[in-house]
Amino acid sequence: DSGVTQTPKHLITATGQRVTLRCSPRSGDLSVYWYQQSLDQGLQFLIQYYNGEERAKGNILERFSAQQFPDLHSELNLSSLELGDSALYFCASSVSGQLSGNTIYFGEGSWLTVV
Amino acid sequence: GQNIDQPTEMTATEGAIVQINCTYQTSGFNGLFWYQQHAGEAPTFLSYNVLDGLEEKGRFSSFLSRSKGYSYLLLKELQMKDSASYLCAVRGPFTTSGTYKYIFGTGTRLKVLA
Repeated sequence: DSGVTQTPKHLITATGQRVTLRCSPRSGDLSVYWYQQSLDQGLQFLIQYYNGEERAKGNILERFSAQQFPDLHSELNLSSLELGDSALYFCASSVSGQLSGNTIYFGEGSWLTVV
Repeated sequence: GQNIDQPTEMTATEGAIVQINCTYQTSGFNGLFWYQQHAGEAPTFLSYNVLDGLEEKGRFSSFLSRSKGYSYLLLKELQMKDSASYLCAVRGPFTTSGTYKYIFGTGTRLKVLA
């Protein structure tokens, strides 16, 4: 158990709909990262938050947005869903700062299926 | 920018040794990580290298050469449960926004045969 919690674990929804994925980082971690992994694909970095602020953006579509709340949990919002958005969405967290720890820890992921 | 290359697939026999290579290009470097990922599961941390040389941890070892932009993960005494994808990831420079970015390779799918 990495200490990173993601909900829901599985989600099936129709095209055009909107979903929210939730992540609670490890206790004490201020940074949260979101990654998308499609079938047989690598981890694609979407976005990173640090202590409530957006810090880095990757290949995140405009239909997607995220935020990190004062209690440090984060939500990834996916709207106007398309079939191609079906993927495993991972949240990860890490200790903050320049002398931060030597890894990031992943949650179990949220399986999104768009039908 | 940053780029990571690793082989797509490898096959090895139970009990054997396998080496998975990773090459990277990055404008700044603050560590290289190896993760293991079983299908449909979360990546789990295996090793971390920030200085040149070999880091050994049980059956797994990881090597880094910063001057060559090269790393490998060595798995000894392969077991069937080692069949998984192995992800190489680079931590880039510490940015003005006060954070690191972690970039992952597409992973090497290892099949261990009996």
